Amino acid sequence: DGGITQSPKYLFRKEGQNVTLSCEQNLNHDAMYWYRQDPGQGLRLIYYSQIVNDFQKGDIAEGYSVSREKKESFPLTVTSAQKNPTAFYLCASRFSGLYNEQFFGPGTRLTVL
Amino acid sequence: GESVGLHLPTLSVQEGDNSIINCAYSNSASDYFIWYKQESGKGPQFIIDIRSNMDKRQGQRVTVLLNKTVKHLSLQIAATQPGDSAVYFCAETIRPPSGGSYIPTFGRGTSLIVHP
Repeated sequence: DGGITQSPKYLFRKEGQNVTLSCEQNLNHDAMYWYRQDPGQGLRLIYYSQIVNDFQKGDIAEGYSVSREKKESFPLTVTSAQKNPTAFYLCASRFSGLYNEQFFGPGTRLTVL
Repeated sequence: GESVGLHLPTLSVQEGDNSIINCAYSNSASDYFIWYKQESGKGPQFIIDIRSNMDKRQGQRVTVLLNKTVKHLSLQIAATQPGDSAVYFCAETIRPPSGGSYIPTFGRGTSLIVHP
């Protein structure tokens, strides 16, 4: 089945720890995105990548880092510098170009203990 | 309805009614618009899209209307069912004037509650 997957579904982190969220797609999409969603809020862009080995900061990149070593994979690391990391994290991918919708993964819920 | 950047509103309807969810987008240069449905604890799913050169587009039980004059987008759901209960987001995408990446911008969504 083609699609976009995220793991784990739930993640617990102690304060001061870095954690990495996985995002994989087999849709052959060029672009990949990470969003953060807080309760009752919309989606805020953390990082995005249009091609392998290249990525750009979104609106709320502070305290996060990413890599894009493979087309299929776009992992997000939540570092200890992120002061309020508890949130629902969504990964998305799409073909490049204007008239293409994003496909979203099922999300990872991160809780800081 | 909702406006990109404002708090999450709620729309409650009875099963079988028609629902209209509104979205006021921010950028008159936006070229492409998408409606997504997000069920609790899941990722958003594509419902329907519309390009800026269109006023209306229909899908199965859903219709999207675009009014560029007042920068307004609406999603109409016919014969609403309990399974339609979810948060609905509109997203606008702008073609960069000097090239570069297309970045969809999302509103905060509207919560639709369908009562049996």
